[in-house]
Amino acid sequence: QSVLTQPPSASGTPGQRVTISCSGSNSNIGSNPVNWFQQLPGTAPKLLIYNNNQRPSGVPDRFSGSKSGTSASLAISGLQSEDAADYYCAAWDDSLNGRYVFGTGTKVTVL
Amino acid sequence: QVQLQESGPGLVKPSETLSLTCTVSGGSVSSGSYYWSWIRQPPGKGLEWIGYISYSGSTNYNPSLKSRLTMSVDTSKNQFSLKLSSVTAADTAVYYCARLKRVAAHLDYWGQGTLVTVSS
Repeated sequence: QSVLTQPPSASGTPGQRVTISCSGSNSNIGSNPVNWFQQLPGTAPKLLIYNNNQRPSGVPDRFSGSKSGTSASLAISGLQSEDAADYYCAAWDDSLNGRYVFGTGTKVTVL
Repeated sequence: QVQLQESGPGLVKPSETLSLTCTVSGGSVSSGSYYWSWIRQPPGKGLEWIGYISYSGSTNYNPSLKSRLTMSVDTSKNQFSLKLSSVTAADTAVYYCARLKRVAAHLDYWGQGTLVTVSS
């Protein structure tokens, strides 16, 4: 069902920089802003990045987003133990009368 | 601070209808700046967008669920609801309600989620 493709896992040691990719198509990432969500174990997803690279109030500036063409990326700089979570990209998709689509999800492990 | 809270049965029998309500506090479902959305997550799996409803009652459903879905909004109670008919075990999931901001289409506030199990 997921229209956006992410790597299943990523890892790093504390302090490292980790990058997560999100690949889509012209009807979603290519045409609309990308959002990123963080889901800590047992909790609801939390908005991390919206409009490709904007951080909601309270989100540390260690998290940054970018977009190019039909792909997007989330970078976590200065990785911390509390960043261990599942991360999902998402975007509006203009096909099939419009729908919101999520990525397949990436599990980040802090070694 | 906007808060959303899902409520409804945690167990539904196969072939019956799953019904959930989301109560919004700290904000109004009557605002034209937002769509009121449902998302689900099967155990151990990823997120699936179910659909949204606006304050006026206009809807947009996931095509894969459209034939079984009905959403409604009650502005007097500041609530919106979901009904999914003819459920099977594949509909077992944590169901989240969330607010979708129309500008730049992003889900900015989420409920805590409620697990609905389909089983006889």
